[in-house]
Amino acid sequence: SQKIEQNSEALNIQEGKTATLTCNYTNYSPAYLQWYRQDPGRGPVFLLLIRENEKEKRKERLKVTFDTTLKQSLFHITASQPADSATYLCALRVYGGSQGNLIFGKGTKLSVKP
Amino acid sequence: DTGVSQNPRHKITKRGQNVTFRCDPISEHNRLYWYRQTLGQGPEFLTYFQNEAQLEKSRLLSDRFSAERPKGSFSTLEIQRTEQGDSAMYLCASSPIQTEAFFGQGTRLTVV
Repeated sequence: SQKIEQNSEALNIQEGKTATLTCNYTNYSPAYLQWYRQDPGRGPVFLLLIRENEKEKRKERLKVTFDTTLKQSLFHITASQPADSATYLCALRVYGGSQGNLIFGKGTKLSVKP
Repeated sequence: DTGVSQNPRHKITKRGQNVTFRCDPISEHNRLYWYRQTLGQGPEFLTYFQNEAQLEKSRLLSDRFSAERPKGSFSTLEIQRTEQGDSAMYLCASSPIQTEAFFGQGTRLTVV
């Protein structure tokens, strides 16, 4: 069956450390993968997109890697801050899938302690 | 503000009543999506419009659900004969091309 899994429901880290979130998928052929941030009671906010032929993308303190052999994406937040506390969602757009259909994982709730 | 706007933000309704939600996308975006999200889950795709054409509907979208996008601008999502299982956050998103989606704040529906 097709699955997209974010390995940790919750991740607690100390301020200043690097947070690493994992997204694994099975039985999909993704065209690209996206990461979103979601705060409680609000809609998701787009952060980064990485295509299947890209290994790594960076934006300020954020870094995303994409390994289509391992079927895995890693999302890193360096020098984490309490303001980074939120739920982070990964989402796939797949080949042969609907143009409208982004498939989301359940999310990882990140808590950054001061 | 030129972001995606959803109304109302919250709706409490009695089981069996009909409800309608509205989404105003970013004006230059021709793609519009509806998702549903329950607690602890990621957003689940419901339906998608390109301009005024509804191009796909999820199997999650039962016959009680209908969505429209007249004139390719705002969209409405109607749920008829609401059930307690319909309680969720309903999210609307828009995009200019087939890349990132810009989400609204959502409408939280509670069916009592």
